[in-house]
Amino acid sequence: SYELTQPPSVSVSPGQTARITCSGDAMPTHFSYWYQQKPGQAPVLLIYKDTERPSGIPERFSGSSSGTTVTLTISGVQAEDEADYYCQSSDTLWVFGGGTKLTVL
Amino acid sequence: EVQLVESGGGLVQPGGSLRLSCAASGFTFSTYWMSWVRQAPGKGLEWVANIKEDSSEIYYVDSVKGRFTISRDNAKNSLFLQMNSLRAEDTAVYYCAREGTVSTGGFDPWGQGTLVTVSS
Repeated sequence: SYELTQPPSVSVSPGQTARITCSGDAMPTHFSYWYQQKPGQAPVLLIYKDTERPSGIPERFSGSSSGTTVTLTISGVQAEDEADYYCQSSDTLWVFGGGTKLTVL
Repeated sequence: EVQLVESGGGLVQPGGSLRLSCAASGFTFSTYWMSWVRQAPGKGLEWVANIKEDSSEIYYVDSVKGRFTISRDNAKNSLFLQMNSLRAEDTAVYYCAREGTVSTGGFDPWGQGTLVTVSS
């Protein structure tokens, strides 16, 4: 079955830039999506179609794509950005990455 | 306000059944694909199943095929997940989510989730 690979954890100091990667063989031909999930809450859509940001999502969140890897970049990280982040894409069916815990030091 | 509200979760014994519901409001339910996604305690997200606007296409993750059935009632703006032959590994918070359109994409919004616990 199709798999998306994310690093389990990323740590960054406030004000720095965090980058979370997601790799999958079908990425070049399928869009990717990113979600933020805080403890006890439902996931929230951050990025759709690789690079697009829904209304209401801060500009510090951005997405990019290169080959089989997509990247979520959080510029000027704030304490409130500490959360789990999931990528999503599809091959024939939807699949989520394993998730990355972002720690703000 | 676009909203999804799940219900029907609870404690069930292995081998038992449970039916989850998701009530949609604030949008034209009949024009969107819908999905169920689950999250085992302390684990990541797992897509479970989805259903096309008119129920003409349905897909499942391999681990629930033959045991779970997704359905919808567009007249009642409701999504369902019938879960049979439940196993301990089905224990999770189950979320319903609206899938995006051709021009948007992504799952947005999500419901608050309903907890299913499979245990004797």
